[in-house]
Amino acid sequence: DQQVKQNSPSLSVQEGRISILNCDYTNSMFDYFLWYKKYPAEGPTFLISISSIKDKNEDGRFTVFLNKSAKHLSLHIVPSQPGDSAVYFCAARRGNTDKLIFGTGTRLQVFP
Amino acid sequence: DAGVIQSPRHEVTEMGQEVTLRCKPISGHNSLFWYRQTMMRGLELLIYFNNNVPIDDSGMPEDRFSAKMPNASFSTLKIQPSEPRDSAVYFCASSLQGSNQPQHFGDGTRLSIL
Repeated sequence: DQQVKQNSPSLSVQEGRISILNCDYTNSMFDYFLWYKKYPAEGPTFLISISSIKDKNEDGRFTVFLNKSAKHLSLHIVPSQPGDSAVYFCAARRGNTDKLIFGTGTRLQVFP
Repeated sequence: DAGVIQSPRHEVTEMGQEVTLRCKPISGHNSLFWYRQTMMRGLELLIYFNNNVPIDDSGMPEDRFSAKMPNASFSTLKIQPSEPRDSAVYFCASSLQGSNQPQHFGDGTRLSIL
């Protein structure tokens, strides 16, 4: 049973426009969420996170929105750049554990 | 700063052979995680340690898989005997336990079992 779902396996966006990556979760006990970016032949690298007490967290071009009632979070990248082309993983954690549950990833391609 | 170091980067071996993957976490981190990435299932947590003690091994597929952390700077994941379905990329990650600090990943070991 996939507790964290990324239903779009891929996304293609023009450079300069907004990229929106979506993630849904089923476990209401999750209270901390993270986004990781992964380039080929490298490990995932941490991008941005959000606690369940917030509904938005922003870091430069990256903003994560959390809708707890819908059990949905999204990552916005504005403006998108070709270097953002990578696989993006959403992950969730319960407060009493260090265990992360990952989604299956969305491959973002930003074209000129 | 040195990140999480995994070895080997690539391993190709025949079915039935023993495979040992190695990981050196970031110095000072006291939590260590082993993940497996496949096309079908994405990133799955296999096992994690806090202060060298295994905390959750519910993701370990079967008895052929074992993991150890003899000290704070070294961990191994062993598969014996290996099978073709074990082919995947295996990642190690480390973090500070109990904090909201993110997990830092190594670059992975790409394992191919023929």
